[in-house]
Amino acid sequence: QEQLVESGGGVVQPGRSLTLSCGASGFTFRSYGMHWIRQAPGKGLEWVATIWFDGSKKYYADSVKGRFIVSRDNPENTLYLQMSSLRVEDTAVYYCARLVGPAGGEVTDPWGPGIPVTVSS
Amino acid sequence: DIVMTQTPLSSPVTLGQSASISCRSSQSLVHSDGNTYLSWLQQRPGQPPRLLIYKISNRFSGVPDRFSGSGAGTDFTLKISRVEAEDVGVYYCMQTTQFPLTFGGGTRVEIK
Repeated sequence: QEQLVESGGGVVQPGRSLTLSCGASGFTFRSYGMHWIRQAPGKGLEWVATIWFDGSKKYYADSVKGRFIVSRDNPENTLYLQMSSLRVEDTAVYYCARLVGPAGGEVTDPWGPGIPVTVSS
Repeated sequence: DIVMTQTPLSSPVTLGQSASISCRSSQSLVHSDGNTYLSWLQQRPGQPPRLLIYKISNRFSGVPDRFSGSGAGTDFTLKISRVEAEDVGVYYCMQTTQFPLTFGGGTRVEIK
């Protein structure tokens, strides 16, 4: 069964850092690109970052560029999101999702259950 | 950036009837490879999003045939036929043709 599970969320003060992880199982992780997508409380979906299957290309939303870094460890089947200089507006549930196909993905599936991040003093 | 505009914001529907959701993009979603990377996602209350439709009209694995997608270029539609109670939730269109990836604002489907 193809599965993604996020971890590492929690409550953090503004200006501090946090690293999210996304563990993959049930598929050949090293063959697929991956997304991070977030959802602020009561709001819609916002794309955050994408990394190519081999880590050779990375894309970021303007709202996180220069503050967040997406990376992956293919032998460990794990995707990461290093978040620094966190702001209150980064408060959201963060989802990882697999992309299949060209461009930003023909298919975006599966999605993880999500992990909440709260930035508050 | 490509702006995705969904209408309506909310769609109250009677069980067994149909619901239709529109999604319009600010520019063509046709990729240089000739494909249009427009997807529809369903988010039930308290759940992560789930892929329903990809490339405008292709139903993803396990998705009931009550769900259908159509459209081209900049105008797209998701139709839910014979709405069931389990269809309650928020539906999003998403374009993956170019970065930054963008989503519509969501349409809430509820039972009358």
